Amino acid sequence: EAQVTQNPRYLITVTGKKLTVTCSQNMNHEYMSWYRQDPGLGLRQIYYSMNVEVTDKGDVPEGYKVSRKEKRNFPLILESPSPNQTSLYFCASSFLQGNQPQHFGDGTRLSIL
Amino acid sequence: DAKTTQPPSMDCAEGRAANLPCNHSTISGNEYVYWYRQIHSQGPQYIIHGLKNNETNEMASLIITEDRKSSTLILPHATLRDTAVYYCIVRGNDYKLSFGAGTTVTVRA
Repeated sequence: EAQVTQNPRYLITVTGKKLTVTCSQNMNHEYMSWYRQDPGLGLRQIYYSMNVEVTDKGDVPEGYKVSRKEKRNFPLILESPSPNQTSLYFCASSFLQGNQPQHFGDGTRLSIL
Repeated sequence: DAKTTQPPSMDCAEGRAANLPCNHSTISGNEYVYWYRQIHSQGPQYIIHGLKNNETNEMASLIITEDRKSSTLILPHATLRDTAVYYCIVRGNDYKLSFGAGTTVTVRA
């Protein structure tokens, strides 16, 4: 089954403790992206990647890192999480050609205390 | 990317067609219109997209006006499971999806 898989689905942690949210897709998509969703602010793009080893900032990249060492994986790294990064996070992927739609994962709910 | 305007909410009777409008008056010639929906806090689900021709798939139909300044998503036979927030998005060449507030659709029995 074609899917975008995020892990963990839920995480409660403390300020300053490094964490990684994994994202994996099995559709051979070139494009991958991370969004965060907050009440009243909608979904905002954090980082995106056009292909392996190619990443770029979205609208709200501060406090986040990403890497794209393999085509299927696009982890989101919070080196020193802070409470303002408490949010619902979504990973998405798509082909680059043909205006193909992005497919989203089920989300990761992070709570930073 | 062009901004979109959608009504904040609408109700629909189960079994009836739901017509969701979207205005995108500043859309450019190469920008596509995409529709997604989000049920509760699940991941946004792709519904349909189009450039200038009307489109139909197993989920919905998309009607784009000739001047491309507005579009309508049609759910032909709404069910309770179609209750969700529906997002109309105009996407350019940067692939970024800019989600607005969307339309909260409530399907009532």
